[in-house]
Amino acid sequence: GQNIDQPTEMTATEGAIVQINCTYQTSGFNGLFWYQQHAGEAPTFLSYNVLDGLEEKGRFSSFLSRSKGYSYLLLKELQMKDSASYLCAVTGDYKLSFGAGTTVTVRA
Amino acid sequence: DAEITQSPRHKITETGRQVTLACHQTWNHNNMFWYRQDLGHGLRLIHYSYGVQDTNKGEVSDGYSVSRSNTEDLPLTLESAASSQTSVYFCASSEGYEAFFGQGTRLTVV
Repeated sequence: GQNIDQPTEMTATEGAIVQINCTYQTSGFNGLFWYQQHAGEAPTFLSYNVLDGLEEKGRFSSFLSRSKGYSYLLLKELQMKDSASYLCAVTGDYKLSFGAGTTVTVRA
Repeated sequence: DAEITQSPRHKITETGRQVTLACHQTWNHNNMFWYRQDLGHGLRLIHYSYGVQDTNKGEVSDGYSVSRSNTEDLPLTLESAASSQTSVYFCASSEGYEAFFGQGTRLTVV
């Protein structure tokens, strides 16, 4: 089975940086996704890590350490529109198993 | 453009009724999934399918069933709706690892 942990809530100021950690224990691992979900909407893809290291995509970066069962999502230059839930998900056999999500609130 | 659509977007039903939620994708993806999302639990997998005539149980499959008669559709049926099945339901499809989600169906069982 899968066990995926991430903090429930985080608050940060506009323009700042926030790091959302995710730890996982899994019986099968093919990669780790981060999804963004605004209230009342569907999750949308942010990033995918299959190898150890940092993947950078504009203001968003994601890091993976497979040996430690650890990932983080880094959000830089925070904007008000980044207020959302961020979901860590582990893939195995093409199935996604999700953590409970981290709600990020960006304050002016 | 290819898409994945769910219907209805909102549904209120009574305890004990059979309910079917529709999911239709035009990506031509083989893999399709149903999740439910509840506060504090995130997205939990109900059923999934890797192709026509293939269906599999997820972690919270009790009280739900699916069928896959073609590539485009994976309807989710609640055999006898219970209040514990009040939730937001998301359908997703994938070919490979990235999944694309429908807009969700908010189901209320009263």
